[in-house]
Amino acid sequence: SQQGEEDPQALSIQEGENATMNCSYKTSINNLQWYRQNSGRGLVHLILIRSNEREKHSGRLRVTLDTSKKSSSLLITASRAADTASYFCATDEGTTDSWGKLQFGAGTQVVVTP
Amino acid sequence: EAGVAQSPRYKIIEKRQSVAFWCNPISGHATLYWYQQILGQGPKLLIQFQNNGVVDDSQLPKDRFSAERLKGVDSTLKIQPAKLEDSAVYLCASSLRPVSQGGSTEAFFGQGTRLTVV
Repeated sequence: SQQGEEDPQALSIQEGENATMNCSYKTSINNLQWYRQNSGRGLVHLILIRSNEREKHSGRLRVTLDTSKKSSSLLITASRAADTASYFCATDEGTTDSWGKLQFGAGTQVVVTP
Repeated sequence: EAGVAQSPRYKIIEKRQSVAFWCNPISGHATLYWYQQILGQGPKLLIQFQNNGVVDDSQLPKDRFSAERLKGVDSTLKIQPAKLEDSAVYLCASSLRPVSQGGSTEAFFGQGTRLTVV
């Protein structure tokens, strides 16, 4: 079963606009990660936010985490055509039993048009 | 540093045949994952190794799938016999070491093997 659920499933925006996607999960976590996947390629790690953090930035990316609501959001500012990809959240429960087990959601497909 | 290497990139087989995928993780990475990604879905964890030991294989269909990681480095994933529903991209990933050992679980993925079963 998948831990995370992304919302929306698909998002279409124009270059320069911001893109926001959300992730909800079910169990307690040690950290939550966001990955990008371009069509036909492997996943690329974007950013990791730990359970004791509420917000994190990396370049044009901003991630928030609300552990009380078991949810996270990823904001891409000033989007570019090259941001067209699928975005996945992945949770790591971080317990001795889970040993860094990463579970992915179904993803949000983002299309940025010039 | 070199990334995660997978081969082959593409494979087409008939149902009931067998197939094997190979993965070489990033040097020094203790944790290795195999994921199955069906078109339009997120990656589903099949098996996770810590060095050469299996940490989690709860979602591996053990009647037809098998995996090994000899010497704690390279890994192979085998399907025998294949079914039509096994058509997917098989992704290998590695990470340095888990949080429980003071590491980061940022995973590095290979390009994947696209399997088509006809």
